[in-house]
Amino acid sequence: EIVLTQSPTTMAASPGEKVTITCRASSSVSYMHWYQQKPGASPKPWIYDTSKLASGVPNRFSGSGSGTSYSLTISSMETEDTATYYCQQWSSNSPITFGAGTKLELK
Amino acid sequence: EVQLVESGGGLVQPGRSLKLSCAASGFTFSNYYMAWVRQAPKKGLEWVATISTSGSRTYYPDSVKGRFTISRDNAKSSLYLQMNSLKSEDTATYYCARHAGSYDWFAYWGQGTLVTVSS
Repeated sequence: EIVLTQSPTTMAASPGEKVTITCRASSSVSYMHWYQQKPGASPKPWIYDTSKLASGVPNRFSGSGSGTSYSLTISSMETEDTATYYCQQWSSNSPITFGAGTKLELK
Repeated sequence: EVQLVESGGGLVQPGRSLKLSCAASGFTFSNYYMAWVRQAPKKGLEWVATISTSGSRTYYPDSVKGRFTISRDNAKSSLYLQMNSLKSEDTATYYCARHAGSYDWFAYWGQGTLVTVSS
């Protein structure tokens, strides 16, 4: 099983600040996917295939990475971005796994 | 508009069984892999099961393999999760999800149904 380790676990950012969330895989994966979840709501697809924005996602978000290291970046933090973000992978040699999540709060 | 509506959750005793259902609409159900993903209270997401378009292939993590069975009825655009030998650690909100294509990411999610395993 490929274990995904997200960092940080929790962070706070000020409006306008650049934010980077990292997801490290225990073995190389081809793609990483990201979800946003707000309290009491279902997860929403946010970034798929490492760098493609899901429908409706603001372009201040971006995704990058390869191999065992991936990241989600917000170029300029906004209030509505407060949420928990999860990374997810699948590969032919491993079950689907999620990271433990990164809770992003407003400073 | 894609809609996934789960039902069947509730309170169940340890060791008993429960069957969840998911009614899908707004897309050609038979064309997509489908899945169940769960979230224990205040915890992260855990993939539970995936089924292929025809139902001929199913995938599970070790945590539920042998206890849970995913199935589908393409004629009814419905997805199911039969859960047997339930444990307290199975307590979670169970989400029905549609894969984007085959065994990959989750493009659509339902609102979830809560399963509580307790005596």
